Amino acid sequence: SQTIHQWPATLVQPVGSPLSLECTVEGTSNPNLYWYRQAAGRGLQLLFYSVGIGQISSEVPQNLSASRPQDRQFILSSKKLLLSDSGFYLCAWSVSGSGQPQHFGDGTRLSIL
Amino acid sequence: AQSVTQLDSQVPVFEEAPVELRCNYSSSVSVYLFWYVQYPNQGLQLLLKYLSGSTLVESINGFEAEFNKSQTSFHLRKPSVHISDTAEYFCAVTAGGSYIPTFGRGTSLIVHP
Repeated sequence: SQTIHQWPATLVQPVGSPLSLECTVEGTSNPNLYWYRQAAGRGLQLLFYSVGIGQISSEVPQNLSASRPQDRQFILSSKKLLLSDSGFYLCAWSVSGSGQPQHFGDGTRLSIL
Repeated sequence: AQSVTQLDSQVPVFEEAPVELRCNYSSSVSVYLFWYVQYPNQGLQLLLKYLSGSTLVESINGFEAEFNKSQTSFHLRKPSVHISDTAEYFCAVTAGGSYIPTFGRGTSLIVHP
């Protein structure tokens, strides 16, 4: 069966520090991968998605970036965090193709001080 | 482009009472519809999906949703809720050949004893 791992579960970082969140999927090949941010009391905001290694599409301009160095690995990064980067970050995968449901990791709670 | 409206941000209900969480969508093309549930500090879990066929779809834990094309709705229902159903519920739609869903802002279901 397929599983998705996301870490760390919680992270407290100072403003201006770098960020690296990692997500890996097991049990499937060539998945679509997604990064979302969920601010307190709000819905999901799609940040990045990827349909293959090295292929990244950004949905919103920001100081975050994403990379997909391996088929089942998706990394969210920042060189310098802002206070507004605080939130709950969710990684998800889906089988490629239209109409496929997404499967989410357990999320990373990021607090910026 | 498609959009999703969850009309209620919060739905309080007593245990063993019936509940309906409303979801309306707009799209000019055919759609796939999903309901996800999110428990505190966790990722989203797929609850049920409508891809084609019977307009009434059911989940393993007693929830059901009905696709109504004329009313562009996909409301979620449960005839008798439990305390453990307390969670955030998200409706999502994927339209046409897209594989990226549009999520509603979520409905917080609060079940009181």
